[in-house]
Amino acid sequence: DIQLTQSPSFLSASVGDRVTITCRASQGISSYLAWYQQKPGKAPKVLIYAASTLQSGVPSRFSGSGSGTEFTLTISSLQPEDSATYFCQHLNSYPLAFGGGTKVEIK
Amino acid sequence: QVQLQESGPGLVKPSETLSLTCTVSGGSVSSGSYYWSWIRQPPGKGLEWIGFIYNSGSTNYNPSLKSRVTISLDTSKNQLSLKLSSVTAADTAVYYCARVLRFPYFYMDVWGKGTTVTVSS
Repeated sequence: DIQLTQSPSFLSASVGDRVTITCRASQGISSYLAWYQQKPGKAPKVLIYAASTLQSGVPSRFSGSGSGTEFTLTISSLQPEDSATYFCQHLNSYPLAFGGGTKVEIK
Repeated sequence: QVQLQESGPGLVKPSETLSLTCTVSGGSVSSGSYYWSWIRQPPGKGLEWIGFIYNSGSTNYNPSLKSRVTISLDTSKNQLSLKLSSVTAADTAVYYCARVLRFPYFYMDVWGKGTTVTVSS
């Protein structure tokens, strides 16, 4: 099974900061990676799919990059509404799996 | 705009079978473009993929749950269902259904709001 390791597990940043979250796969997954945002009490919402494609309607300050085993989600200018937990997910093989999550707090 | 809504008992006794339904509106579970999936999230923890089903009825389950899980489709009601047998407290979680786009990209594009299931006597 492929495991995903996210880092950091928690980060605190100010409005306007550039924020980067990393997701590492235990083996190569090509570009079969998605990023989701989850706010408390809500369902996850897709931000990025195929490692770097922005889902329709998602603000352009979100971007994704990487392939193989290392991936990043970047928020170019952090906004108050970006306070949430972010998960990566691989869809390269079965079983599908999610990373442990990164909680983003606004200072 | 497609919407998914989970429903089912909020409380299940240990050793019994958890049964949930996901009703799809604004789209069809018979569409060949999607898989239909279940995912769960224990309180304060991360997400776990349970499995998914295609319109043909073919399924793929997480091996960690495979012996206890059944996912099925009811095309007449435009619903998918989840059955998880022999539940324990470890199965307490929010359960989500989600639509999974198959191609040209593979990802979960629409999620239900989730339903909380507690396993307790």
